[in-house]
Amino acid sequence: GDSVTQMEGPVTLSEEAFLTINCTYTATGYPSLFWYVQYPGEGLQLLLKATKADDKGSNKGFEATYRKETTSFHLEKGSVQVSDSAVYFCALSQGGSEKLVFGKGMKLTVNP
Amino acid sequence: EADIYQTPRYLVIGTGKKITLECSQTMGHDKMYWYQQDPGMELHLIHYSYGVNSTEKGDLSSESTVSRIRTEHFPLTLESARPSHTSQYLCASSHGQGSGDTQYFGPGTRLTVL
Repeated sequence: GDSVTQMEGPVTLSEEAFLTINCTYTATGYPSLFWYVQYPGEGLQLLLKATKADDKGSNKGFEATYRKETTSFHLEKGSVQVSDSAVYFCALSQGGSEKLVFGKGMKLTVNP
Repeated sequence: EADIYQTPRYLVIGTGKKITLECSQTMGHDKMYWYQQDPGMELHLIHYSYGVNSTEKGDLSSESTVSRIRTEHFPLTLESARPSHTSQYLCASSHGQGSGDTQYFGPGTRLTVL
């Protein structure tokens, strides 16, 4: 079945550091890809998404590019802030279904 | 900002009690979902609904049940809670426009069964 593998943490960075969170997927068709973020004590919220190959999603300084050839959707940010401390989930949905398949999540802590 | 609500936010109960976790959305979304989030943060789909009177089991087997009598309301019930049900439960909804559709999540209910 479809699956998502993402870098596991936890990861601790200093403010203004560069962030990369790796995400690869396995799917039979052409899924849509998502990054969701969960701040402490809250539910998940969409960070960015891409629905077809070579699309780039971006939001709040984060970016990810849908790479069909490497089945990847790595998340990057050039300069993280303390407020970026959260759990990040990579996910996919397939075909006509909105059901999401999530990676295991990665906890990021950014120190001042 | 998403308008999806869950109550209670925290619940501590004894074994054998019947509980209902409430989820409501005011966005008119047809599709709604329940996820269970384990302490290691991993999310598992346990129930979903494509509209009124439609409910399906998700990828993770769960002893809970759901109902969808109104579009905006998707409650989850445990007839007899056990310590193994201790977890965070997240409700979500979406427009239902295909695989690129965004899911909007509620704040979650953290359930502890003693």
